[in-house]
Amino acid sequence: QVQLVQSGAEMKKPGSSVKVSCKASGGTFSTYHISWVRQAPGQGLEWMGRTVPMFGKADYAQKLQGRVMITADESTSTAYMELSSLTSQDTAVYYCAREGVGEAAGSFESWGQGTLVTVSS
Amino acid sequence: DIQMTQSPSSLSAIVGDRVTITCRASQSISRYLNWYQQKPGKAPNLLIYAASSLQGGVPSRFSGSGSGTDFTLTISSLQPEDFATYYCQQSFSTPLTFGGGTKVEIK
Repeated sequence: QVQLVQSGAEMKKPGSSVKVSCKASGGTFSTYHISWVRQAPGQGLEWMGRTVPMFGKADYAQKLQGRVMITADESTSTAYMELSSLTSQDTAVYYCAREGVGEAAGSFESWGQGTLVTVSS
Repeated sequence: DIQMTQSPSSLSAIVGDRVTITCRASQSISRYLNWYQQKPGKAPNLLIYAASSLQGGVPSRFSGSGSGTDFTLTISSLQPEDFATYYCQQSFSTPLTFGGGTKVEIK
């Protein structure tokens, strides 16, 4: 079972950018979809986008297109999510998750512990 | 985008109750429907994938059913550790989308 460990909490100013990392261990990394999901305080879950590290191409939620970039480094089994032009509306816990395959494709089988990003002046 | 609507948004129940949560998709998603449990301060945990397949390690009191646009998560006999928020999620097409959640509280 893959384990995903994320980087620590971040405090950012409006207009700045944040980059969150997600390191995988104990399982296959390169050939699975790695997604990023966020959760604003007291709110539901929002899918941001995903990538397959081996292919290097990412797919993003339209709402965040142009502000989000998801990348992966196969050599370190680490995925990254960078979000720019931050506003207070981006304050949330950000999760990485590895998707399943076959019948479980598109489901989030393994999750990181979450990274709180707070945007405040 | 495919909209996912869960009902109810919250419910109160006692240990031993049979609990049913429904999820409706805005268009047919075949059986590309997954269910998660989330406890406060924790990441979601996959319970059911492909509408009715139980994820490894998940107790058999959890079950899922449905296809097309209407789906159900059932907890056959609610246990103390089941008080949490439950989310459905469609994996038919991107953007992958979630329902608004159902909070299961102690009566």
